Amino acid sequence: GAGVSQSPRYKVAKRGQDVALRCDPISGHVSLFWYQQALGQGPEFLTYFQNEAQLDKSGLPSDRFFAERPEGSVSTLKIQRTQQEDSAVYLCASSLSRQETQYFGPGTRLLVL
Amino acid sequence: QQQVKQSPQSLIVQKGGISIINCAYENTAFDYFPWYQQFPGKGPALLIAIRPDVSEKKEGRFTISFNKSAKQFSLHIMDSQPGDSATYFCAASKQTGANNLFFGTGTRLTVIP
Repeated sequence: GAGVSQSPRYKVAKRGQDVALRCDPISGHVSLFWYQQALGQGPEFLTYFQNEAQLDKSGLPSDRFFAERPEGSVSTLKIQRTQQEDSAVYLCASSLSRQETQYFGPGTRLLVL
Repeated sequence: QQQVKQSPQSLIVQKGGISIINCAYENTAFDYFPWYQQFPGKGPALLIAIRPDVSEKKEGRFTISFNKSAKQFSLHIMDSQPGDSATYFCAASKQTGANNLFFGTGTRLTVIP
């Protein structure tokens, strides 16, 4: 079956621009996680959704980061006024429930110039 | 602070040899320890996972050894193959709780033919 998909795969933004990153989870997966992976590092947790409810946003680095999942399926991570330190791969993962195995998408590589 | 520490950063092994990657954690509340494999341009994929009630888990050529008292766990890849060349991440979470994964910094494994 289809796995987690993310778009765009690559995004170049000028400093100060807003960007929106999309995640399509596996069909039927209730739980959705966003992670940020800096170059040469492991992924770091950003935020968690259970259906449409954002239950945990403790990992969001600043109020410039905003995520939503309005219908409990597709999720969008928005970064406002991008900064160079936002350059990273943004990974989305979904799971049947919060305690089940997380399946990762290929990520969106964001480069802020 | 880094919740999970991983070593070595890189590893070169001859085909047929054993690859060993080590991880250590601090938070005794962690109850789930997965290993993820990541190829360039792809998202992490679950390889094998262990819970702290067992000291070893084997799946094919991959074995996790777990030492609860030392708060350490390791991945052994037996009969390493060139196709195993990838970056490996250990991780830990409170699966019975939030299940946000805390990743190590990764080990780039190269298996030489």
